[in-house]
Amino acid sequence: DQQVKQNSPSLSVQEGRISILNCDYTNSMFDYFLWYKKYPAEGPTFLISISSIKDKNEDGRFTVFLNKSAKHLSLHIVPSQPGDSAVYFCAASARGTSYGKLTFGQGTILTVHP
Amino acid sequence: GAGVSQTPSNKVTEKGKYVELRCDPISGHTALYWYRQSLGQGPEFLIYFQGTGAADDSGLPNDRFFAVRPEGSVSTLKIQRTERGDSAVYLCASSLILAGGSGELFFGEGSRLTVL
Repeated sequence: DQQVKQNSPSLSVQEGRISILNCDYTNSMFDYFLWYKKYPAEGPTFLISISSIKDKNEDGRFTVFLNKSAKHLSLHIVPSQPGDSAVYFCAASARGTSYGKLTFGQGTILTVHP
Repeated sequence: GAGVSQTPSNKVTEKGKYVELRCDPISGHTALYWYRQSLGQGPEFLIYFQGTGAADDSGLPNDRFFAVRPEGSVSTLKIQRTERGDSAVYLCASSLILAGGSGELFFGEGSRLTVL
């Protein structure tokens, strides 16, 4: 069963506009959520995270929102830039499990057009 | 090195053969992880080392998979009697474990395994 789901396989956005990537989860034990970005032929790189005690975390152009009641999180990128084009993975870790043991979604391919 | 290094970057083998994949973590990182990414999927946890010991190997799919980290630095993932379903990109990551259990995972570029 897919405990972390990214239902949009791809997203296309114009440069300067907002990109919104969505993620849903089913495991209520998840208490820490992360977004990773991956370019072709490279490993995933950490982007931003949020603890379940918060509902928003912001870092520059990137903001992550967490809605615990809906078991939903989203990543907002404003303004989007062509260099943001990559695969974005949502990931979660559960309380009581090993640190760094993450459950990933399937990924969303973001394309930002100049 | 500056980042996590994985070798080989590509490995093609025949069904039934034995394969070893190597990971050289960032110097000083005590925690090391192996993940597997199949086509069209996100990375899937395999095993986590804290120092030399496997702290959590719950993600290893079966007993054909084994990993070691004898000196607390370099790790080797070993796959016996490979099957076509083992074809995937095997990702290694390392991290510092900071107070409170936080700390970013740094991933290598992965080893792409193809079993014919």
